[in-house]
Amino acid sequence: DAGVTQSPTHLIKTRGQHVTLRCSPISGHKSVSWYQQVLGQGPQFIFQYYEKEERGRGNFPDRFSARQFPNYSSELNVNALLLGDSALYLCASSSGTSGRASQETQYFGPGTRLLVL
Amino acid sequence: AQRVTQPEKLLSVFKGAPVELKCNYSYSGSPELFWYVQYSRQRLQLLLRHISRESIKGFTADLNKGETSFHLKKPFAQEEDSAMYYCALKDTATDSWGKLQFGAGTQVVVTP
Repeated sequence: DAGVTQSPTHLIKTRGQHVTLRCSPISGHKSVSWYQQVLGQGPQFIFQYYEKEERGRGNFPDRFSARQFPNYSSELNVNALLLGDSALYLCASSSGTSGRASQETQYFGPGTRLLVL
Repeated sequence: AQRVTQPEKLLSVFKGAPVELKCNYSYSGSPELFWYVQYSRQRLQLLLRHISRESIKGFTADLNKGETSFHLKKPFAQEEDSAMYYCALKDTATDSWGKLQFGAGTQVVVTP
């Protein structure tokens, strides 16, 4: 298993454009979470999806949206891009089956580096 | 509001010396805390979680609720410990187990 995969690896957009980032979880994992990591800071939680339903949302504007597909892959969409959206976007998957949140391990992908000019 | 603070951006230690990475948190409920590590050119990965009380790669971390701290320690640093370390807190008041609050991270450099 290649682990969590994300595409594309790098992306350059201009202000006002829209972007779609993709994530494929580890086989068998049903939960996907998205994080934004601005340079010099720790990852900041954006969304969690489990079984195609949103389970959590961080403090991000409505320009950010996501969805999870029947095969548990996920997309993060950002509309009306701002310079401040430039960051590394991380996807993490977990099995979602342990029944206890503290036992769930998040497995992170390599990230998509987005630059907004 | 919950918050995770890692006061040191950079920690430089000599090989064989003890290393301690500080993590303080603010949270009104019963926290669950983790340490994540990112080695050069690798992905962010879980190092240890407080609930397991485990020792991974010689690292240990004790949750001190009185001091609201979860410091990471290793008695003898190795060069392969050079990495970025993040302390993270899980909000147990929510169903979202994927929602982790990360600190800003501490870069550890172990010199021979």
